Amino acid sequence: LVLTQSPSASASLGASVKLTCTLSSGHSHYAIAWHQFHPEKGPRYLMKLNHDGSHSKGDGIPDRFSGSSSGAERHLTISSLQSEDEAEYYCQTWGTGNLVFGGGTKVTAL
Amino acid sequence: VQLMESGGGLVQPGGSLRVSCAASGFTFSTFAMAWVRQAPGKGLEWVSSISGTGGRTYDRDSVKGRFTISRDNTKNTLYLQMNSLRAEDTAVYYCAKEGVEDRYDSSGQYLDSWGQGTLVTVSS
Repeated sequence: LVLTQSPSASASLGASVKLTCTLSSGHSHYAIAWHQFHPEKGPRYLMKLNHDGSHSKGDGIPDRFSGSSSGAERHLTISSLQSEDEAEYYCQTWGTGNLVFGGGTKVTAL
Repeated sequence: VQLMESGGGLVQPGGSLRVSCAASGFTFSTFAMAWVRQAPGKGLEWVSSISGTGGRTYDRDSVKGRFTISRDNTKNTLYLQMNSLRAEDTAVYYCAKEGVEDRYDSSGQYLDSWGQGTLVTVSS
């Protein structure tokens, strides 16, 4: 069970950026979670994202964060990118007694 | 929900250290908990998990036999005892709460709360 993320992504302030987390073969039905690791504010849970694209966000997560799914891909879209959104974003999935993280995507606002 | 780690520091290779995580704001005993670490410049790595009762624990292969996860549900505190430490164990250690109540005395769910982390440095 492996999660693959691109190392970096960037967009202009106010623009939209879409991050992708890809599940390994045979695991396309798995749900994942997205987490934000901010260099100054620390870690924060963003949302749980199911295989059908339904998602449930954590408390206080702004509306500009949304999730979607397509096959083995799980997406996190940040619409209207803000400077405070510059952070590392990790996807996470799980099995009994095992947690798996993607390699993380560093988001930069241009 | 609040999770606050403590106990990190500098330790020599082969040494021991125990880190703790004080939890509040939720019914601690009904949720499995996990330790996740991040080495300098690296990504996140799951270390260990423990069921709500503490009856079941799970560890990644590289720490089996060296690290022990435990919990005291009377004190709402999670622990990670780390023995035979190696340079490659140097990392910020985060405690995290699973997002679903533990109904089967097990572990393995999404994480929905994080502490701020405590730095463990293994160096001579």
